[in-house]
Amino acid sequence: QVQLVQSGAEVKNPGASVKVSCKASGYSFTSYAIHWVRQAPGQGLECMGWISAGDDYTRYSQKFQGRVTMTTDTSASTAYMELSGLRSEDTAVYFCARRGLGGFTYYDSWGQGTLVTVSS
Amino acid sequence: DIQMTQSPSFLSASVGDRVTITCRASQGISRYLNWYQQKPGKAPKLLIYAASYLQSGVPSRFSGGGSGTDFTLTISSLQREDFATYFCQQSYSDPQFTFGPGTKVDMK
Repeated sequence: QVQLVQSGAEVKNPGASVKVSCKASGYSFTSYAIHWVRQAPGQGLECMGWISAGDDYTRYSQKFQGRVTMTTDTSASTAYMELSGLRSEDTAVYFCARRGLGGFTYYDSWGQGTLVTVSS
Repeated sequence: DIQMTQSPSFLSASVGDRVTITCRASQGISRYLNWYQQKPGKAPKLLIYAASYLQSGVPSRFSGGGSGTDFTLTISSLQREDFATYFCQQSYSDPQFTFGPGTKVDMK
């Protein structure tokens, strides 16, 4: 079955960077895109951008442009999201999600989430 | 950015009730609308995509409708496991796929 397994929780100082991994299994990794979505404590969901695992094409939400980098390692079926210049407002659970196939964008499988805490 | 609103924000209901949640987009998004269910401490789960297509494995008591700016998610007969928070998401504006603020469905 399709599974996305993310790396563990992180605690970072303001100004630092964090890199979250998302290991996929149960499907052809390069046939799908991976999206990253975050959720601040008690808040809603926010899309950060996505990467096409087949050709590493990326699109980032304007809010995160310049601070986020999404990459993949196809040999390990793993996607990565790196966020730099961390501030307290970046404290959130970060999810990776697989975009379903077809003409509409939707997330049919999700990772379990990675809590990133930014605190001095 | 396309803004998404949901109503109500909170909803108290009983098992067996018919429940309808509304989602509105700030501009027309055709049928580029998804619905997710989220339980505390868990990742969201896809229920409906493209406004009305039921995701595989999701019970048929869930249904979606609408197009343009106004959409609905209906649960025909609420079950105990349906108490959760529901989010709509527009997938019209790449990559700014905004979510609604959520509707929490609580037990009455």
